Amino acid sequence: EVQLVQSGAEVKKPGESLKISCKGSGYSFTSYWIGWVRQMPGKGLEWMGIIYPGDSDTRYSPSFQGQVTISADKSISTAYLQWSSLKASDTAMYYCARLMHPGGGATSDAFDIWGQGTMVTVSS
Amino acid sequence: EIVLTQSPGTLSLSPGERATLSCRASQSVSSSYLAWYQQKPGQAPRLLIYGASSRATGIPDRFSGSGSGTDFTLTISRLEPEDFAVYYCQQYGSSPPDTFGQGTKLEIK
Repeated sequence: EVQLVQSGAEVKKPGESLKISCKGSGYSFTSYWIGWVRQMPGKGLEWMGIIYPGDSDTRYSPSFQGQVTISADKSISTAYLQWSSLKASDTAMYYCARLMHPGGGATSDAFDIWGQGTMVTVSS
Repeated sequence: EIVLTQSPGTLSLSPGERATLSCRASQSVSSSYLAWYQQKPGQAPRLLIYGASSRATGIPDRFSGSGSGTDFTLTISRLEPEDFAVYYCQQYGSSPPDTFGQGTKLEIK
């Protein structure tokens, strides 16, 4: 079964760092882009960025560039989303999702497989 | 960056009725690279339609997508109780970032 399994919910204080994970299984992890999507409480979906685990090529939305870092460890089929200094406004559900078609060339695609989401709460 | 506007914000219908959801883009979406997702409370989104009109794996044929350029439509031919959810469109026709619409909530009347 093709699936993405995300790490568990996190509660952090402003200024703390955080790295959440997304582990892929059931398919060739290095052949598909993985993206991250933010959903703030009661709000819609926001495309944050994508990474190609095969060579770690990464693209960011301008809205998130410099605010987060996307990385991947292909040896353990895991993608990451990290913050160096969290803010209260980072409180949200974060989803990882797989771009539908394989290959490093196509950076725009629908997301066909989604993780279950990781809730990040930042509060003093 | 392409802005997607979905309408209506909320749609109130009864099971068995036909639902028509709209997604309008601020500029033409190349190659009809438009997807639709369904999200139920407490769940991750699920891909319904890609390429404007192709159903994803396992999606019932009561769901259909149409449109091109700047105007796209998701139609649910006969609503089932499990179809009441929030629906998002996404364009992926230009270079990143891809963008999502703000969502349409389909609620039971």
